[in-house]
Amino acid sequence: DIRLTQSPSTLSASLGDRVTITCRASQSIATALAWYQQKPGKAPRLLITSVSNLESGVPSRFSGSGSGREFTITISNLQPDDFATYFCQQYNTYLLSFGGGTKLEIK
Amino acid sequence: QGLLEQSGPEVKEPGASLKVSCEASGYSFTNYGIAWVRQAPGQGHEWIGWISPLTGRKTFAQSLQGRVIMSTDTSTNTAELQLRDVDSGDTAIYYCARGHMVSPFDLWGQGTLITVSS
Repeated sequence: DIRLTQSPSTLSASLGDRVTITCRASQSIATALAWYQQKPGKAPRLLITSVSNLESGVPSRFSGSGSGREFTITISNLQPDDFATYFCQQYNTYLLSFGGGTKLEIK
Repeated sequence: QGLLEQSGPEVKEPGASLKVSCEASGYSFTNYGIAWVRQAPGQGHEWIGWISPLTGRKTFAQSLQGRVIMSTDTSTNTAELQLRDVDSGDTAIYYCARGHMVSPFDLWGQGTLITVSS
């Protein structure tokens, strides 16, 4: 099975900051990587597919990059609505897996 | 567009079976598969399995294979997850989500909290 390791597990930042979260795969997953946002008590929201394709309605301050085994999501100009948990998912094989999540907190 | 509405929270005793249902609306149920994902308290998300309402094809996480039963009913646009012989390690929020066998999930249910406790 493919393991996804996210870092950091917690990130403190201020409004207007630019932050980056990393997701590392235990083996190459080409570009089969998605990012989600989740707020407490809510269902996950799909943000990015295929490493860098923003879903409809996702603000352009979100961006994704990477390939192979290392991937990042960057959020620029942090807004109040961005403070949440972010996690990655690989879909390179039918044995899907998720990263452990990164909680983005207000500093 | 679309909605996945899940059944309510439950408490189960160890050794029992849990059942979670997921009713789809607002899209063609047979055009997409349904995946099941769980999140234990303080943990990351764990993929449980996936089923195609169109073909019945299923895939399972190896760690849960043998205890998981997934089904769909195209007459009611409902998917169902059963997990047998539960223990405290199965306490989690269980989600259904829409997607293909190898894809991200663009629509999620609201989640169902299953607590396993004696």
